[in-house]
Amino acid sequence: GENVEQHPSTLSVQEGDSAVIKCTYSDSASNYFPWYKQELGKGPQLIIDIRSNVGEKKDQRIAVTLNKTAKHFSLHITETQPEDSAVYFCAASNSGGSYIPTFGRGTSLIVHP
Amino acid sequence: NAGVTQTPKFQVLKTGQSMTLQCAQDMNHNSMYWYRQDPGMGLRLIYYSASEGTTDKGEVPNGYNVSRLNKREFSLRLESAAPSQTSVYFCASMDRVQETQYFGPGTRLLVL
Repeated sequence: GENVEQHPSTLSVQEGDSAVIKCTYSDSASNYFPWYKQELGKGPQLIIDIRSNVGEKKDQRIAVTLNKTAKHFSLHITETQPEDSAVYFCAASNSGGSYIPTFGRGTSLIVHP
Repeated sequence: NAGVTQTPKFQVLKTGQSMTLQCAQDMNHNSMYWYRQDPGMGLRLIYYSASEGTTDKGEVPNGYNVSRLNKREFSLRLESAAPSQTSVYFCASMDRVQETQYFGPGTRLLVL
């Protein structure tokens, strides 16, 4: 089955700095890679995703890159703000498969004002 | 459009007691899921339902049962709660076209 590794487990940055979270996956058949943000006391919410036919996707201050050859993908947050503080999860799944994404263990991002 | 709703928000049980966690979605999604979240362990899949009338085990199904009552509702039952089942439980549904999962707000369960 698929295995997703996520690093780092915690990340502390100053407001305005950039933050990068990295994930690797094992199953070359995986072709959909979403990122979820979980604020304290709430359920995870999708913030950005990328499919395997695209190498990079950007939405305002957040971007995701995908390297299919190396089987890794990353979340980039620029100009971080205190409200970016949350737990971020990456996931991988195979479109047309079982619709069961495999999640990384999460990264706790703390943005210090 | 409420999305995914879960009840209760918080529950305390004694070892051996039973309870059912309720989940409902109003987005007409076929697939629904139950996860548990423990510190440092991420989201672990307990059971899922690919469509109405079907359920399958996930990564950590022991001690749990599920019922897909209809397309909207997917419940999780603990027949005899154990302290190891202390966790935060999330229900989710999936838009298969976009493959996006929508999560409920969670149920925090404490088993004494």
